Amino acid sequence: TQLLEQSPQFLSIQEGENLTVYCNSSSVFSSLQWYRQEPGEGPVLLVTVVTGGEVKKLKRLTFQFGDARKDSSLHITAAQPGDTGLYLCAGRTRIYNQGGKLIFGQGTELSVKP
Amino acid sequence: KAGVTQTPRYLIKTRGQQVTLSCSPISGHRSVSWYQQTPGQGLQFLFEYFSETQRNKGNFPGRFSGRQFSNSRSEMNVSTLELGDSALYLCASLTSSGEQFFGPGTRLTVL
Repeated sequence: TQLLEQSPQFLSIQEGENLTVYCNSSSVFSSLQWYRQEPGEGPVLLVTVVTGGEVKKLKRLTFQFGDARKDSSLHITAAQPGDTGLYLCAGRTRIYNQGGKLIFGQGTELSVKP
Repeated sequence: KAGVTQTPRYLIKTRGQQVTLSCSPISGHRSVSWYQQTPGQGLQFLFEYFSETQRNKGNFPGRFSGRQFSNSRSEMNVSTLELGDSALYLCASLTSSGEQFFGPGTRLTVL
């Protein structure tokens, strides 16, 4: 069974702090995605990374794919209350067109207090 | 461009009943995936349909089934509902490269 371990599961911080969320596996992924989900809504895709060592930035969010494509991290700089939500990583061990299923981590519940 | 539509948004059923949920993907997308989300298990893959054919399936019992129509709209059905089926059921519309765009979900409560 392929597993994606996310840590931490819960994170409560003050506005302006920095944070990092980790996503780890023993499996190699062809691609990895990060989503953000707000209560009562579906997850929203933030980024897809496909190359080992790849770094992508989305405003204050920085996403990195590990060199071996087994892990990823999400770093948020100067967190704001609007960043509050459930952050999910999800990976495919085979490319989509070869039948690769998307496996989700358990999620990190982030709360940013003003 | 309209997003993914799921109906109904909320549903309350009793044990033993069956339920059908509907999903309309983004126009032009031919693939739809279904997921079950619970606090304890997180997001778990149910199945994926492409051009009316089931392309992939997760590890759920046969009570969970789905289908896709020629207009790409999809339905999933759960028969003989159990208390543990209470969950948020999410549908995702997929691009040809596998990027997923989720709908708002259907919140199913089984009493």
